[in-house]
Amino acid sequence: AQKVTQAQTEISVVEKEDVTLDCVYETRDTTYYLFWYKQPPSGELVFLIRRNSFDEQNEISGRYSWNFQKSTSSFNFTITASQVVDSAVYFCALSEAKGSQGAQKLVFGQGTRLTINP
Amino acid sequence: EAQVTQNPRYLITVTGKKLTVTCSQNMNHEYMSWYRQDPGLGLRQIYYSMNVEVTDKGDVPEGYKVSRKEKRNFPLILESPSPNQTSLYFCASSKLLKDNEQFFGPGTRLTVL
Repeated sequence: AQKVTQAQTEISVVEKEDVTLDCVYETRDTTYYLFWYKQPPSGELVFLIRRNSFDEQNEISGRYSWNFQKSTSSFNFTITASQVVDSAVYFCALSEAKGSQGAQKLVFGQGTRLTINP
Repeated sequence: EAQVTQNPRYLITVTGKKLTVTCSQNMNHEYMSWYRQDPGLGLRQIYYSMNVEVTDKGDVPEGYKVSRKEKRNFPLILESPSPNQTSLYFCASSKLLKDNEQFFGPGTRLTVL
Protein backbone atom coordinates (compact mmCIF):
# COMPACT_ATOMS: atom_id res chain seq x y z
CA ALA A 1 0.00 0.00 0.00
CA GLN A 2 1.09 3.51 -0.65
CA LYS A 3 2.09 5.65 2.27
CA VAL A 4 3.26 9.17 2.96
CA THR A 5 5.10 10.10 6.13
CA GLN A 6 5.64 13.60 7.44
CA ALA A 7 7.66 12.97 10.56
CA GLN A 8 7.61 16.57 11.73
CA THR A 9 4.33 17.17 13.49
CA GLU A 10 5.04 20.78 14.39
CA ILE A 11 7.78 23.25 13.53
CA SER A 12 8.21 26.70 14.99
CA VAL A 13 10.74 29.21 13.67
CA VAL A 14 11.37 32.92 13.82
CA GLU A 15 10.51 35.04 10.83
CA LYS A 16 13.17 35.20 8.09
CA GLU A 17 14.61 31.81 8.98
CA ASP A 18 14.69 29.10 6.35
CA VAL A 19 12.67 25.98 7.10
CA THR A 20 12.44 22.57 5.46
CA LEU A 21 9.44 20.28 5.69
CA ASP A 22 10.20 16.62 5.16
CA CYS A 23 8.12 14.15 3.19
CA VAL A 24 8.94 10.48 2.66
CA TYR A 25 6.75 8.23 0.55
CA GLU A 26 6.31 4.56 -0.25
CA THR A 27 4.89 3.21 -3.49
CA ARG A 28 5.28 0.25 -5.80
CA ASP A 29 4.17 2.22 -8.82
CA THR A 30 6.80 3.21 -11.35
CA THR A 31 4.72 6.19 -12.40
CA TYR A 32 3.38 8.34 -9.62
CA TYR A 33 2.74 11.93 -8.71
CA LEU A 34 3.54 13.89 -5.61
CA PHE A 35 1.81 17.00 -4.36
CA TRP A 36 2.12 19.62 -1.67
CA TYR A 37 -0.92 21.41 -0.28
CA LYS A 38 -1.10 24.29 2.19
CA GLN A 39 -3.88 24.65 4.73
CA PRO A 40 -3.87 28.14 6.26
CA PRO A 41 -5.76 28.90 9.48
CA SER A 42 -8.86 29.68 7.41
CA GLY A 43 -9.03 25.95 6.64
CA GLU A 44 -9.08 25.66 2.85
CA LEU A 45 -6.59 23.47 0.99
CA VAL A 46 -4.35 25.33 -1.42
CA PHE A 47 -2.47 23.45 -4.12
CA LEU A 48 1.24 24.31 -4.20
CA ILE A 49 3.00 21.93 -6.55
CA ARG A 50 2.73 18.69 -8.52
CA ARG A 51 5.74 16.57 -9.46
CA ASN A 52 5.78 13.37 -11.53
CA SER A 53 8.12 10.49 -10.85
CA PHE A 54 10.09 10.99 -14.06
CA ASP A 55 11.08 14.53 -13.31
CA GLU A 56 13.66 14.80 -10.53
CA GLN A 57 14.55 18.36 -11.33
CA ASN A 58 14.26 20.59 -8.32
CA GLU A 59 11.79 23.42 -8.58
CA ILE A 60 11.86 26.94 -7.22
CA SER A 61 8.93 29.30 -7.04
CA GLY A 62 9.78 32.54 -5.30
CA ARG A 63 10.64 31.69 -1.69
CA TYR A 64 9.45 28.10 -2.12
CA SER A 65 11.58 25.26 -3.40
CA TRP A 66 11.12 21.52 -3.65
CA ASN A 67 13.74 18.79 -3.61
CA PHE A 68 12.62 15.49 -5.13
CA GLN A 69 14.95 12.52 -4.67
CA LYS A 70 13.77 9.14 -5.88
CA SER A 71 16.80 7.40 -4.36
CA THR A 72 15.58 8.28 -0.87
CA SER A 73 11.84 8.46 -1.73
CA SER A 74 11.68 11.99 -0.47
CA PHE A 75 9.98 15.17 -1.65
CA ASN A 76 11.02 17.91 0.73
CA PHE A 77 9.74 21.46 0.77
CA THR A 78 11.84 24.47 1.78
CA ILE A 79 10.64 27.96 2.55
CA THR A 80 13.38 30.56 2.37
CA ALA A 81 13.18 33.74 4.46
CA SER A 82 9.95 32.62 6.09
CA GLN A 83 7.15 35.06 6.78
CA VAL A 84 4.30 35.05 9.28
CA VAL A 85 1.86 34.45 6.40
CA ASP A 86 3.55 31.10 5.79
CA SER A 87 2.08 29.82 9.05
CA ALA A 88 -0.15 26.91 8.08
CA VAL A 89 -0.44 23.14 8.04
CA TYR A 90 1.35 21.65 5.06
CA PHE A 91 0.40 18.32 3.55
CA CYS A 92 2.42 16.13 1.26
CA ALA A 93 0.35 13.72 -0.86
CA LEU A 94 0.92 10.88 -3.29
CA SER A 95 -1.49 10.00 -6.06
CA GLU A 96 -2.61 6.44 -6.34
CA ALA A 97 -4.45 5.00 -9.32
CA LYS A 98 -7.71 3.30 -8.50
CA GLY A 99 -9.45 0.91 -10.85
CA SER A 100 -8.82 0.22 -14.48
CA GLN A 101 -9.17 3.83 -15.53
CA GLY A 102 -6.55 5.04 -13.08
CA ALA A 103 -8.73 7.58 -11.36
CA GLN A 104 -6.78 9.49 -8.81
CA LYS A 105 -6.89 9.06 -5.10
CA LEU A 106 -4.63 11.16 -2.95
CA VAL A 107 -2.83 9.51 -0.04
CA PHE A 108 -1.97 12.24 2.42
CA GLY A 109 0.70 12.51 5.05
CA GLN A 110 -0.27 13.49 8.56
CA GLY A 111 0.63 17.12 7.95
CA THR A 112 3.20 19.47 9.48
CA ARG A 113 2.00 22.49 11.41
CA LEU A 114 4.38 25.36 10.68
CA THR A 115 4.37 28.43 12.91
CA ILE A 116 6.36 31.48 11.95
CA ASN A 117 6.87 33.82 14.87
CA PRO A 118 7.47 37.54 14.35
CA GLU B 1 -14.75 31.28 -11.36
CA ALA B 2 -13.77 27.62 -11.24
CA GLN B 3 -14.66 26.26 -7.86
CA VAL B 4 -15.95 23.50 -5.64
CA THR B 5 -18.66 24.56 -3.21
CA GLN B 6 -19.85 22.79 -0.09
CA ASN B 7 -22.83 23.44 2.14
CA PRO B 8 -23.19 23.86 4.98
CA ARG B 9 -19.78 25.11 6.09
CA TYR B 10 -20.53 24.41 9.74
CA LEU B 11 -23.03 22.02 11.26
CA ILE B 12 -23.77 20.89 14.78
CA THR B 13 -26.20 18.01 15.06
CA VAL B 14 -27.21 15.20 17.38
CA THR B 15 -26.65 11.48 17.17
CA GLY B 16 -28.99 9.73 14.77
CA LYS B 17 -30.37 12.75 12.92
CA LYS B 18 -29.87 12.22 9.20
CA LEU B 19 -27.94 14.92 7.38
CA THR B 20 -26.63 15.70 3.91
CA VAL B 21 -23.59 17.75 2.99
CA THR B 22 -23.81 19.03 -0.57
CA CYS B 23 -20.90 19.38 -2.97
CA SER B 24 -20.98 20.99 -6.38
CA GLN B 25 -18.29 21.76 -8.96
CA ASN B 26 -18.47 23.91 -12.10
CA MET B 27 -15.42 22.56 -13.93
CA ASN B 28 -17.09 19.63 -15.69
CA HIS B 29 -14.82 17.23 -13.82
CA GLU B 30 -15.52 13.53 -14.06
CA TYR B 31 -13.89 12.61 -10.77
CA MET B 32 -15.22 13.68 -7.38
CA SER B 33 -14.26 12.54 -3.94
CA TRP B 34 -14.98 13.04 -0.25
CA TYR B 35 -12.27 13.17 2.41
CA ARG B 36 -12.36 13.60 6.14
CA GLN B 37 -9.60 15.32 8.07
CA ASP B 38 -8.80 14.35 11.63
CA PRO B 39 -5.89 15.55 13.80
CA GLY B 40 -2.75 13.48 13.31
CA LEU B 41 -4.30 11.44 10.49
CA GLY B 42 -4.18 13.81 7.56
CA LEU B 43 -7.01 13.43 5.06
CA ARG B 44 -8.60 10.06 4.38
CA GLN B 45 -10.84 9.22 1.47
CA ILE B 46 -14.45 8.27 2.24
CA TYR B 47 -16.02 7.70 -1.20
CA TYR B 48 -15.22 8.64 -4.74
CA SER B 49 -17.02 8.80 -8.07
CA MET B 50 -15.54 8.46 -11.50
CA ASN B 51 -18.64 9.66 -13.32
CA VAL B 52 -22.41 9.86 -13.13
CA GLU B 53 -23.89 6.80 -11.41
CA VAL B 54 -20.38 5.39 -10.75
CA THR B 55 -19.33 5.47 -7.10
CA ASP B 56 -17.01 3.38 -4.96
CA LYS B 57 -15.71 3.13 -1.43
CA GLY B 58 -12.58 4.81 -0.22
CA ASP B 59 -10.64 3.95 2.91
CA VAL B 60 -13.21 4.93 5.55
CA PRO B 61 -16.71 4.49 4.04
CA GLU B 62 -18.53 3.11 7.11
CA GLY B 63 -21.48 5.27 8.14
CA TYR B 64 -21.59 7.27 4.91
CA LYS B 65 -23.48 7.16 1.63
CA VAL B 66 -23.05 9.10 -1.57
CA SER B 67 -24.84 9.53 -4.87
CA ARG B 68 -23.88 10.93 -8.27
CA LYS B 69 -27.02 11.63 -10.25
CA GLU B 70 -25.56 14.66 -12.00
CA LYS B 71 -21.99 15.31 -13.03
CA ARG B 72 -21.64 18.49 -11.03
CA ASN B 73 -23.07 17.26 -7.69
CA PHE B 74 -21.78 14.70 -5.23
CA PRO B 75 -23.64 14.83 -1.90
CA LEU B 76 -22.41 13.06 1.23
CA ILE B 77 -25.15 11.48 3.33
CA LEU B 78 -24.92 10.48 6.98
CA GLU B 79 -28.01 8.36 7.64
CA SER B 80 -27.44 8.06 11.39
CA PRO B 81 -24.54 10.26 12.49
CA SER B 82 -22.47 9.29 15.49
CA PRO B 83 -19.95 11.29 17.54
CA ASN B 84 -17.00 9.53 15.84
CA GLN B 85 -18.06 11.24 12.62
CA THR B 86 -17.23 14.62 14.10
CA SER B 87 -14.64 15.85 11.65
CA LEU B 88 -13.70 18.32 8.93
CA TYR B 89 -14.98 17.15 5.56
CA PHE B 90 -13.64 18.11 2.16
CA CYS B 91 -15.09 17.51 -1.25
CA ALA B 92 -12.70 17.46 -4.19
CA SER B 93 -12.92 17.18 -7.95
CA SER B 94 -10.52 16.65 -10.80
CA LYS B 95 -10.17 15.32 -14.29
CA LEU B 96 -9.97 11.57 -14.41
CA LEU B 97 -6.26 11.16 -14.96
CA LYS B 98 -4.07 10.65 -11.93
CA ASP B 99 -1.65 13.42 -12.75
CA ASN B 100 -4.25 16.10 -12.36
CA GLU B 101 -4.44 18.14 -9.20
CA GLN B 102 -7.59 17.83 -7.17
CA PHE B 103 -9.54 21.00 -6.46
CA PHE B 104 -10.90 21.12 -2.95
CA GLY B 105 -14.00 22.73 -1.54
CA PRO B 106 -13.77 25.03 1.49
CA GLY B 107 -14.56 22.27 3.96
CA THR B 108 -17.51 21.45 6.23
CA ARG B 109 -16.91 21.27 9.96
CA LEU B 110 -19.33 18.75 11.43
CA THR B 111 -19.93 18.19 15.13
CA VAL B 112 -22.14 15.30 16.23
CA LEU B 113 -23.23 15.49 19.86
